[in-house]
Amino acid sequence: DGGITQSPKYLFRKEGQNVTLSCEQNLNHDAMYWYRQDPGQGLRLIYYSQIVNDFQKGDIAEGYSVSREKKESFPLTVTSAQKNPTAFYLCASSLLAGVGNEQFFGPGTRLTVL
Amino acid sequence: DQQVKQNSPSLSVQEGRISILNCDYTNSMFDYFLWYKKYPAEGPTFLISISSIKDKNEDGRFTVFLNKSAKHLSLHIVPSQPGDSAVYFCAASRDDYKLSFGAGTTVTVRA
Repeated sequence: DGGITQSPKYLFRKEGQNVTLSCEQNLNHDAMYWYRQDPGQGLRLIYYSQIVNDFQKGDIAEGYSVSREKKESFPLTVTSAQKNPTAFYLCASSLLAGVGNEQFFGPGTRLTVL
Repeated sequence: DQQVKQNSPSLSVQEGRISILNCDYTNSMFDYFLWYKKYPAEGPTFLISISSIKDKNEDGRFTVFLNKSAKHLSLHIVPSQPGDSAVYFCAASRDDYKLSFGAGTTVTVRA
């Protein structure tokens, strides 16, 4: 089945630790995205990538890092520099196009900092 | 700066009646609009979209209306069903890949 997988579903981290969230897609999509959702807020874009080995900062990139070594994978690292990392993280992907580019989302990872 | 706003955080509607969700945007460069539906602890799923060259798009029970002059769009669900209970996000994009999302409206359909 084609889709986007994120792992783990729940993640706990101690303060000061880096943690990496996995995102894999087998839809052959060129573009991939990371969002963060907090209670009462919409999805906010952290990073996005349009092509392998290239990525751009979104609206709230501080304290995060990404890599795009393979088309199907776009891992997100939450570093200790992120001041408020507890949130629901969503990965998405889309075909390489402009207007009308529907994004498909994974099931999300809930990160809790203890 | 919130460019897409959903001013109603929640909506309760009786089964069989119409649900109307509203969304306002501030960026006149937006030219494509989408609605997503999200259940708790799951990723959003695409529902319906509309291009700025249209003012209405219909897909089964779901219709989206766009009023460009007012920078306003709405989603109508007719008739509402219990399975429609979810959070609905409005999103907008320009001629790039990025989507700007509203804060969401939680819809509860009462039996």
